[in-house]
Amino acid sequence: AQSVTQPDIHITVSEGASLELRCNYSYGATPYLFWYVQSPGQGLQLLLKYFSGDTLVQGIKGFEAEFKRSQSSFNLRKPSVHWSDAAEYFCAVGNFGNEKLTFGTGTRLTIIP
Amino acid sequence: DTGVSQDPRHKITKRGQNVTFRCDPISEHNRLYWYRQTLGQGPEFLTYFQNEAQLEKSRLLSDRFSAERPKGSFSTLEIQRTEQGDSAMYLCASSLDLGGVDEQFFGPGTRLTVL
Repeated sequence: AQSVTQPDIHITVSEGASLELRCNYSYGATPYLFWYVQSPGQGLQLLLKYFSGDTLVQGIKGFEAEFKRSQSSFNLRKPSVHWSDAAEYFCAVGNFGNEKLTFGTGTRLTIIP
Repeated sequence: DTGVSQDPRHKITKRGQNVTFRCDPISEHNRLYWYRQTLGQGPEFLTYFQNEAQLEKSRLLSDRFSAERPKGSFSTLEIQRTEQGDSAMYLCASSLDLGGVDEQFFGPGTRLTVL
């Protein structure tokens, strides 16, 4: 069965600092990986996705993520965070032929001035 | 707004009552999903439809839960005889089947509180 682990429940970062949110997955075949962001009162918004090809993927809002098969990881990064990035971030895994997504428990990001 | 919409946004009910939620997907999307999200957790898959056919149901979906998508457009999720453990955010998502793993677009959710 596929699973996702987000080891950091809560991260606090200063505005303008760099960010890395960790995600580890468990799946036997090549996974399809996603990062979503959820702001209070808002639905989940897709930041980026990895299906195949280049292991460094670019997303919206200046985010990027790198797929590392050897580490079963798909960490999300941003070089300089903005106060508006404060939200809950979810990593998810899917696989071809099984349309459901399996989500991690999320990482809450707080931005301090 | 052409995104996924859900109604109501909030529902408070007493234990034992029935509730029904509605989801309107993006119009051209043929797949529709329901997820449940409890506090401090990520969304958990409940069920999904391909057009009007319900193709998969999670073991989380007890007999008290039923979902329909009668004309392949909007969907309803009904919970009968609600229990306090049903309190959660119920999320709907839709996608367009392109032959692979689709990008799912999520609605704002319906927050259910069972007293």
